[in-house]
Amino acid sequence: IAGITQAPTSQILAAGRRMTLRCTQDMRHNAMYWYRQDLGLGLRLIHYSNTAGTTGKGEVPDGYSVSRANTDDFPLTLASAVPSQTSVYFCASSQSGRGGRNEQFFGPGTRLTVL
Amino acid sequence: AQSVTQPDIHITVSEGASLELRCNYSYGATPYLFWYVQSPGQGLQLLLKYFSGDTLVQGIKGFEAEFKRSQSSFNLRKPSVHWSDAAEYFCAVGADFGNEKLTFGTGTRLTIIP
Repeated sequence: IAGITQAPTSQILAAGRRMTLRCTQDMRHNAMYWYRQDLGLGLRLIHYSNTAGTTGKGEVPDGYSVSRANTDDFPLTLASAVPSQTSVYFCASSQSGRGGRNEQFFGPGTRLTVL
Repeated sequence: AQSVTQPDIHITVSEGASLELRCNYSYGATPYLFWYVQSPGQGLQLLLKYFSGDTLVQGIKGFEAEFKRSQSSFNLRKPSVHWSDAAEYFCAVGADFGNEKLTFGTGTRLTIIP
């Protein structure tokens, strides 16, 4: 593993189904993030975690949940998917303790379609 | 809270021509500023960043950006674009109050014509 990996690469999902997007990093970064990217809206932060065991809500958290049981993994769960959650999802990580000057490193993304 | 505006949704430039992508930020103190590039179907890659000091920063792939506090701007420039520069470009701002989060602009799509 080099950097950040995300799985699956893409997924088509029926509305109402539960889905977990996986994210793993091998850089030992303390902070991790989930964004969604939609045309004309750029990247919007869904949830973040400054360190293992803690999580926080971003700009668009409704309908999503996260957990951070260890440093490397940061899964994003859609408990009951809806079509408005069709998007490209990016996981990112950064070193912590330096405030907003952290460079964030991004995974390749997961393209999710909810029908 | 900080915010970022990228006023140009789409820019078309001829190969070999110069490029400037605009970014305006809103934040009460000195911001931390970033430019990222996203090639089609890819994740985001950092081009350059500004924290303090020299207001003209150099990045990868021949890009540079200038921080202008008086204009609340951090415009990205390249003297001569290549076809491989076609991508989406995002400006982002971070704050220095223990908050790890970055706020991204909505992006500028760059098209290169021969």
